[in-house]
Amino acid sequence: GNSVTQMEGPVTLSEEAFLTINCTYTATGYPSLFWYVQYPGEGLQLLLKATKADDKGSNKGFEATYRKETTSFHLEKGSVQVSDSAVYFCALSGNTGNQFYFGTGTSLTVIP
Amino acid sequence: SAVISQKPSRDICQRGTSLTIQCQVDSQVTMMFWYRQQPGQSLTLIATANQGSEATYESGFVIDKFPISRPNLTFSTLTVSNMSPEDSSIYLCSVEHSATNEKLFFGSGTQLSVL
Repeated sequence: GNSVTQMEGPVTLSEEAFLTINCTYTATGYPSLFWYVQYPGEGLQLLLKATKADDKGSNKGFEATYRKETTSFHLEKGSVQVSDSAVYFCALSGNTGNQFYFGTGTSLTVIP
Repeated sequence: SAVISQKPSRDICQRGTSLTIQCQVDSQVTMMFWYRQQPGQSLTLIATANQGSEATYESGFVIDKFPISRPNLTFSTLTVSNMSPEDSSIYLCSVEHSATNEKLFFGSGTQLSVL
């Protein structure tokens, strides 16, 4: 079946540090992969996505590359800011139906 | 994009009571979903709210416990019935907006605590 395994948090970084949040998946077929972000008190928002192998999603300085050979979609940012403090969810959508599968979320706190 | 208003944003309820959560979207959408986010766990799909017909429930969720209404293309409700402390979770409304490239939009969620 489909599932997502996400790096556990919480993660605390200093401003301008490099961020990596690991995400691996199990899926049948060719899923689409997503990173969602949830800022305090708000709903989940799409951060970036990739729909096929070797695609790179990017937004707001964040990047993730769809690696089929390692079944991974790790989130990276070269220099985090305090405003990046949020919970990050990795997710996949199967190629049939509308079912989304989410990781458990990784809480990131960036300190000045 | 789609703007989703969900209410209440949080509630504290007594065991055995029921709570209805409302989800209002600012545009017509085909697909509306209800998710649950239990403490420390990932989001789990409860059901797909179908306009004009019964909701489609995922394994482990039943209509008697989580009745859902979808009277039109912009509104849905989820009721958590006969609540117990195990129902304490965040409940999220989500929509798929076919007119945009973004697959899913989420409401801000309802934080439910059952005493």
